[in-house]
Formats: sequence, C-alpha cells, structure tokens
Amino acid sequence: GAVVSQHPSRVICKSGTSVKIECRSLDFQATTMFWYRQFPKQSLMLMATSNEGSKATYEQGVEKDKFLINHASLTLSTLTVTSAHPEDSSFYICSARAPGGGGYEQYFGPGTRLTVT
Amino acid sequence: KQEVTQIPAALSVPEGENLVLNCSFTDSAIYNLQWFRQDPGKGLTSLLLIQSSQREQTSGRLNASLDKSSGRSTLYIAASQPGDSATYLCAVPPGGSQGNLIFGKGTKLSVKP
Repeated sequence: GAVVSQHPSRVICKSGTSVKIECRSLDFQATTMFWYRQFPKQSLMLMATSNEGSKATYEQGVEKDKFLINHASLTLSTLTVTSAHPEDSSFYICSARAPGGGGYEQYFGPGTRLTVT
Repeated sequence: KQEVTQIPAALSVPEGENLVLNCSFTDSAIYNLQWFRQDPGKGLTSLLLIQSSQREQTSGRLNASLDKSSGRSTLYIAASQPGDSATYLCAVPPGGSQGNLIFGKGTKLSVKP
C-alpha cells in the first residue's frame, strides 16, 4: 500500500520559535495533502488542504499566517508552526490522497507530536 | 454539514468475544467510508475502505458494512484478541466530495486476556 512519512516524529520547542513538519508520499504522487490536528482524547480535525503548486485552503478558525503550508512538489508538503505557543502543543497528522478502486483513499502519516514549552 | 458519530465511546470485552462498533453519518451522499485504528500516541492505520457502491468489506477477522441510505456503518471484529485494543475511528468525506475526511470521536476498545 501507499506510504506516507512525517518528520520529525516528535519535537519540543520553546514558546515563540517556529517549527517545520514535513509530510512525504514515498511511493506515489499526491496532488492533494491534508493536515489534521488532534488534541488529547479528541478526534482528528482538519486544519487545511494543501494542493501542489497553489495556496492551501484553511478551515475556519485556523490562522493561515500562523500555520504556513507549502506544497512545492507532488511528494512533499510542509507545515510550519510560527511563533509557537503552548496551546499549539498537539499531535499533527498529514494525509495524502491517492486514487484507487474507483475512488480515493487517504493514507496517513505516523504523526508529529509537538510540545511547546 | 457532515457529522460522524461513533457508539459506544468505550468498550471492554474479554478475549475471544465477537464485537460490533457502530458509526453513523448525517450526509449520505458519500463516496466512501474508512475505518482506522489508532494506538495511543500513534498515527492512523487504515483497516478497511468501503466505496459507496459496496455494502461490505472484509479483511481477516474484520468485517465492515455500509448502509449508505440510513447513514450507518458497522465494524465487526471476530474472536477479539488483546492486540486489538486500540481506538477505532470511522471517517467519511464531506457529502458529495472526495476531499478531506471527517472523523468520529472513536471507540476505545479494550480486550482483556
């Protein structure tokens, strides 16, 4: 099956600094990738949709200037959390969409645990 | 607006039991439905994908059914094992779209030896 990787798997940063998270589709090209956030004991919530070569589409309530998304190639999307604050501490998971079986299936990365101190 | 509900929120069963997890969604115009497993602190593992034209999918001890018209899906786990302990998430795209997924809050399953 299709594989999606994320790097880093875990990061601790100080308040006010920026952190970049990478999401790669390893064996397929993904024109669309999604970024989700999961707070403790909550389900995944979509943050933004990342389209290769164009600007990301952000969900309501997600600050586009704080969560910068770049989808520069068909296999890589990055999420940069700028001026991180403790409330940004969360589990960030990306997914990539791939066609197959008459529709689209989403493949998820292993997630990145961000802790802001 | 698509909403996904999973019942029960938590379930504890003895090893060997068969069990059913339930998922309901409000907008039946879906292209597909996916069931995932999430272990604590980990990412998602895709278990089964059911296309809208299908009624069920099977993988090993897992069987997922889909009743699109009533907005329901079930995940059946046969002969449960302690290794099945995890949170099971159901997800569908927004109605009429093949975009992102909307997730339920999950069912936390504990299988006791």
